[in-house]
Amino acid sequence: NAGVTQTPKFRILKIGQSMTLQCTQDMNHNYMYWYRQDPGMGLKLIYYSVGAGITDKGEVPNGYNVSRSTTEDFPLRLELAAPSQTSVYFCATGDRYSNQPQHFGDGTRLSIL
Amino acid sequence: AQKVTQAQTEISVVEKEDVTLDCVYETRDTTYYLFWYKQPPSGELVFLIRRNSFDEQNEISGRYSWNFQKSTSSFNFTITASQVVDSAVYFCALRPTGGFKTIFGAGTRLFVKA
Repeated sequence: NAGVTQTPKFRILKIGQSMTLQCTQDMNHNYMYWYRQDPGMGLKLIYYSVGAGITDKGEVPNGYNVSRSTTEDFPLRLELAAPSQTSVYFCATGDRYSNQPQHFGDGTRLSIL
Repeated sequence: AQKVTQAQTEISVVEKEDVTLDCVYETRDTTYYLFWYKQPPSGELVFLIRRNSFDEQNEISGRYSWNFQKSTSSFNFTITASQVVDSAVYFCALRPTGGFKTIFGAGTRLFVKA
């Protein structure tokens, strides 16, 4: 069982570059989330999706974009990377009966230099 | 506004000691959910428990127990007879019923020494 798969696991970007963090799930969960975790801090919600074609902003959406064209995939796009976006990014899913993050990917550690 | 406070940044115990992790929350919502998550040194996040604000019964799962007190807005987590494998960062979180924005506390890092 793959669960929630995030790629890449590590990445270094230069300021101003763009990239997409990939997230794929094989549990057929309706809800998907992107969180960022800054050192010593809890998780902050960036974006979430309640199903294919439906996304909404979380607490800290600025500088990011998402799409949800299929149930399985929920990519997170960084445009014009900034040092403040250096963080660990977690993708998570939740089933339709409990709209909270239940299953997390292993995270993507992103550094912007 | 919603807020979750985990005042204990780090706790260090010796194996077999009991340890309680504190969580205090603020919300104006009348119904909400509370959660605990574990993040071991390997980095992944593990969902531990969800508690509905209607249900103030304490819950026990093996060596883990949770004490929810609405009167003091607290949802504390106790590990009995701690083990080295319990070493992790533990996060408390809050979400209004029907919403999707789960708010996390800053976490408590627990060190369990052999």
